[in-house]
Amino acid sequence: GQQVMQIPQYQHVQEGEDFTTYCNSSTTLSNIQWYKQRPGGHPVFLIQLVKSGEVKKQKRLTFQFGEAKKNSSLHITATQTTDVGTYFCAGPGQGGSEKLVFGKGTKLTVNP
Amino acid sequence: KAGVTQTPRYLIKTRGQQVTLSCSPISGHRSVSWYQQTPGQGLQFLFEYFSETQRNKGNFPGRFSGRQFSNSRSEMNVSTLELGDSALYLCASSFRTGTNEKLFFGSGTQLSVL
Repeated sequence: GQQVMQIPQYQHVQEGEDFTTYCNSSTTLSNIQWYKQRPGGHPVFLIQLVKSGEVKKQKRLTFQFGEAKKNSSLHITATQTTDVGTYFCAGPGQGGSEKLVFGKGTKLTVNP
Repeated sequence: KAGVTQTPRYLIKTRGQQVTLSCSPISGHRSVSWYQQTPGQGLQFLFEYFSETQRNKGNFPGRFSGRQFSNSRSEMNVSTLELGDSALYLCASSFRTGTNEKLFFGSGTQLSVL
């Protein structure tokens, strides 16, 4: 079945350093979404990318969707302690079998 | 608008028991999805309901079931609980506009099976 892989699984950075998480799908995606889950919280929608090669920015966060629409990345510039959490990518399920298929996430910790 | 509400927040059960979890979606959202979250497996899709009909189903045993009411509120039931069912159960509601359909998650029900 469809798989969405995310790397790295964990990332620890010093405050002020940059951070990137990568997402790869086994199939071409019509769109990709990113969610953030704070410790003890629930996933919160960040953004959706639809177009091939699309790049979107939200303040210090930059999201990219690959040209082949099979991979995506999230880059955070100059991390802050408020960026702590787990970042998930998710793509639509194939054949209507699943709502969204989530990657296992990248857990980001930031040392102040 | 109120967010997605899940009850109860925490639940402790013993093996063999059954449990019912409740989810009230955001007003106007007709789609409700359920996910199981565990440290090892991440977020795994259980099922989706839309207008009281199950639209999609994940790869979980028949012990996991759900339903949706006419007011879009949803319940999921797990019968004959096993230790491995311990997890955070997340409900998400959504509303599609064109190709955009983002999920709004509730705070989840943390289920512990002893």
